[in-house]
Amino acid sequence: GNSVTQMEGPVTLSEEAFLTINCTYTATGYPSLFWYVQYPGEGLQLLLKATKADDKGSNKGFEATYRKETTSFHLEKGSVQVSDSAVYFCALRSNFGNEKLTFGTGTRLTIIP
Amino acid sequence: DVKVTQSSRYLVKRTGEKVFLECVQDMDHENMFWYRQDPGLGLRLIYFSYDVKMKEKGDIPEGYSVSREKKERFSLILESASTNQTSMYLCASSPPGSRGLQQPQHFGDGTRLSIL
Repeated sequence: GNSVTQMEGPVTLSEEAFLTINCTYTATGYPSLFWYVQYPGEGLQLLLKATKADDKGSNKGFEATYRKETTSFHLEKGSVQVSDSAVYFCALRSNFGNEKLTFGTGTRLTIIP
Repeated sequence: DVKVTQSSRYLVKRTGEKVFLECVQDMDHENMFWYRQDPGLGLRLIYFSYDVKMKEKGDIPEGYSVSREKKERFSLILESASTNQTSMYLCASSPPGSRGLQQPQHFGDGTRLSIL
């Protein structure tokens, strides 16, 4: 079956540091890949997505590249801000069958000034 | 913007009660989903529905049921609440089929349910 493995947290960084949150997946075929973000007290919001190999998703300074050869979709940001403090979820949706999303366990990110 | 509204942000119930969690979306999406979110476990799918009166079990359906009588509303039911159902519950919706493959699920803000 499908699965998503992401970097365990919590992760604490200083403002303006470089961020990487690792995500690898197992799936049949060519899934679509997503990063969702959950700010304190809120539901999940889509941060970025990629639907085929070598696609790069980007939003709010975050980027992730769909790497089929390494089955990875690592999230990166060059200079984090305090407002980036949140929980980040990597997820995939198979292109077979139904519309189910498979999520990773989430990575809590805290940015200190 | 898509709006997914969950009826309660916080809910406290007692063991053995029948509990209803309501979710409404305003974008005419065919697909709707119920997840629970627990620390260290991420989001786990309880049930989903791809049309009115249609439902399918997700990964952890035991102890839950659902109802989809209208397209915009998807209800999660705890038939007899137990303490291990204390959790954050998230509802989501998305368009179907080939459109759905390119579009994400849209989430509500969640209901934090405590069973005492």
